[in-house]
Amino acid sequence: EADIYQTPRYLVIGTGKKITLECSQTMGHDKMYWYQQDPGMELHLIHYSYGVNSTEKGDLSSESTVSRIRTEHFPLTLESARPSHTSQYLCASGAVGTDTQYFGPGTRLTVL
Amino acid sequence: GENVEQHPSTLSVQEGDSAVIKCTYSDSASNYFPWYKQELGKGPQLIIDIRSNVGEKKDQRIAVTLNKTAKHFSLHITETQPEDSAVYFCAASIGGQGAQKLVFGQGTRLTINP
Repeated sequence: EADIYQTPRYLVIGTGKKITLECSQTMGHDKMYWYQQDPGMELHLIHYSYGVNSTEKGDLSSESTVSRIRTEHFPLTLESARPSHTSQYLCASGAVGTDTQYFGPGTRLTVL
Repeated sequence: GENVEQHPSTLSVQEGDSAVIKCTYSDSASNYFPWYKQELGKGPQLIIDIRSNVGEKKDQRIAVTLNKTAKHFSLHITETQPEDSAVYFCAASIGGQGAQKLVFGQGTRLTINP
């Protein structure tokens, strides 16, 4: 089982602020993912990475951006937060050559 | 692209009874099907998974069945307990072996009534 961490767990912020959600894992997984989970529960893939310096957009269009400078770290940034960004953000990771994804505890973001 | 449909969206059963959640998928190339359990305030946790070369897999009170011809798979929980109350998600892989992505179902909120 992967050890994957997300900070902060909860964030309440005003419109227009720049925010970065942190995700890190200690298992050396090359593959990492960001999902947005809406109040109706469904998970939508917004970004993923196959390894350092690799990032791809997911199936759901998002105004956020990501970077992958180190294997263990996959931060997500919103340059200017809006109320429509209010959601639960889940980070996951997995090893190359395997299918399984392991999830972090999530960050619940509220933009006022 | 892959589409995963999950039913029911909510399920309430008496403690000790069985619960069944069903999913269908559209891409015949999908070959990995995990199930996740998400408790309140936590991220999804993998509880069981199955590959396309296997028809059934069991782990204590949890079992998953796969019908590749019909493109559907199901989660079975027997002897349900209050701690089984949670949201459950099915998923299907896309991209072949060691797939890069999973497509998730809409989720089922399971409530176990004591």
